[in-house]
Amino acid sequence: AQSVTQLGSHVSVSEGALVLLRCNYSSSVPPYLFWYVQYPNQGLQLLLKYTSAATLVKGINGFEAEFKKSETSFHLTKPSAHMSDAAEYFCAVTEGGSASKIIFGSGTRLSIRP
Amino acid sequence: DAGVTQSPTHLIKTRGQQVTLRCSPISGHKSVSWYQQVLGQGPQFIFQYYEKEERGRGNFPDRFSARQFPNYSSELNVNALLLGDSALYLCASSFRGQGAYEKLFFGSGTQLSVL
Repeated sequence: AQSVTQLGSHVSVSEGALVLLRCNYSSSVPPYLFWYVQYPNQGLQLLLKYTSAATLVKGINGFEAEFKKSETSFHLTKPSAHMSDAAEYFCAVTEGGSASKIIFGSGTRLSIRP
Repeated sequence: DAGVTQSPTHLIKTRGQQVTLRCSPISGHKSVSWYQQVLGQGPQFIFQYYEKEERGRGNFPDRFSARQFPNYSSELNVNALLLGDSALYLCASSFRGQGAYEKLFFGSGTQLSVL
């Protein structure tokens, strides 16, 4: 069964600093991996997804994530944090093909210090 | 174009009551999925419907049911409400319901409080 573990329920960085949000996955089949962002009182928005093409995936708002099979990781990074990046971030996994069920991690709240 | 719309935005019920939540997908999308997000946790998959048929079901009791209408809108019903059903219920739509290949578009959710 698939699962994802997000390390750190809360991460705080200074504006302009590197953002690193950690995600490790468990899957018995080649996974499809996602990062979603949730702003207060809003639904989830897809940041990026990995579907077995390039291991370095670029997303919206300057975010990117690297799939590392040997480490079963899919960490999310952004070189320079902006105040508008403050939100809840969710890592998620699903099987390939027509699988309908997406498994979300417990989330990491990102705070940005001025 | 309008995004995924959910109604109502907030709802307060008492234990034992029944509730119906509604979702209208993006125009042209034929698949609707429902997720439950308890405070402080990630969303949990409840159901997916595609072309009015159930395509997937999460680990939720039979008190939870859903259906999809010919216009692709959907309702989620929860019977015999428990305090633990208090959560944000999210609806997501996509064109064909292929979770790995398609982008899911989420609504802003219905906040259900059970007292």
